Amino acid sequence: EAGVTQFPSHSVIEKGQTVTLRCDPISGHDNLYWYRRVMGKEIKFLLHFVKESKQDESGMPNNRFLAERTGGTYSTLKVQPAELEDSGVYFCASSQVGGGPGANVLTFGAGSRLTVL
Amino acid sequence: LAKTTQPISMDSYEGQEVNITCSHNNIATNDYITWYQQFPSQGPRFIIQGYKTKVTNEVASLFIPADRKSSTLSLPRVSLSDTAVYYCLVGALSLISGGYNKLIFGAGTRLAVHP
Repeated sequence: EAGVTQFPSHSVIEKGQTVTLRCDPISGHDNLYWYRRVMGKEIKFLLHFVKESKQDESGMPNNRFLAERTGGTYSTLKVQPAELEDSGVYFCASSQVGGGPGANVLTFGAGSRLTVL
Repeated sequence: LAKTTQPISMDSYEGQEVNITCSHNNIATNDYITWYQQFPSQGPRFIIQGYKTKVTNEVASLFIPADRKSSTLSLPRVSLSDTAVYYCLVGALSLISGGYNKLIFGAGTRLAVHP
C-alpha cells in the first residue's frame, strides 16, 4: 500500500512569493490533516478535511493560508504571500473514516520543508 | 482537549527495556491514547494505541492504569535504530466525521540509545 505522499520535499522561496504544497493521502482515506512544525516549536494542527469538506480549520494561522481538497482526493496548501515566520515543515496525514482500529491511526507523510528567505 | 506531559529526553543502552511515561490528567472518557515515533526528516509513525489496561504489538507495549491519567510506552530490548522522538497523543474520534478531533502534539521525548 502506498503511503502518504507530499510534494515538494523542500521549497525555498523569497518573502512575498507564493508556494503550494501538495499531499496525496492513502487511497480511500477520507480524513486528511495538515500539521506544521516551525523551528524549535511543537507540531501544530492546521486543519482537517473529511473528503472535500473542511471539518476543522481552527489551526490555520491567518488568511494567507488556503487549503483545498477538490474531489476529496489530494489536497493542496497554498501560502500567499509567504512570510519569514512561515518557514518550517508541513506534514500531511490521513486516516480512514468510521469506527474500528484504522480510523484511529493517522499515517503521516514525510513532510514538506518550506524555507522563506 | 487533553494536554500531555512527557520527559524531554531519555538515555538508554542497546538491549535494555525503555519505559516512557506520559501524563494526561484531563483525559476525557472518549479519548484514546496513541504513541508515535519520529525520526529526523520523516513524519511521525504510529507505534501503538490503547484505551485502557494493556496493549501489546510486535514493537511495543502500552500500559494504561485504571484512572487513565497516565500511560507508559514500553520498548523491549532497544537498539540504536530506536533513537528517535516519541510522542504521546490523546484524542477522541468525532462522531460526526469519524476522524480524530484535532490531536495535540506535545514536545515529545527524545530517546537516545547508546552502544
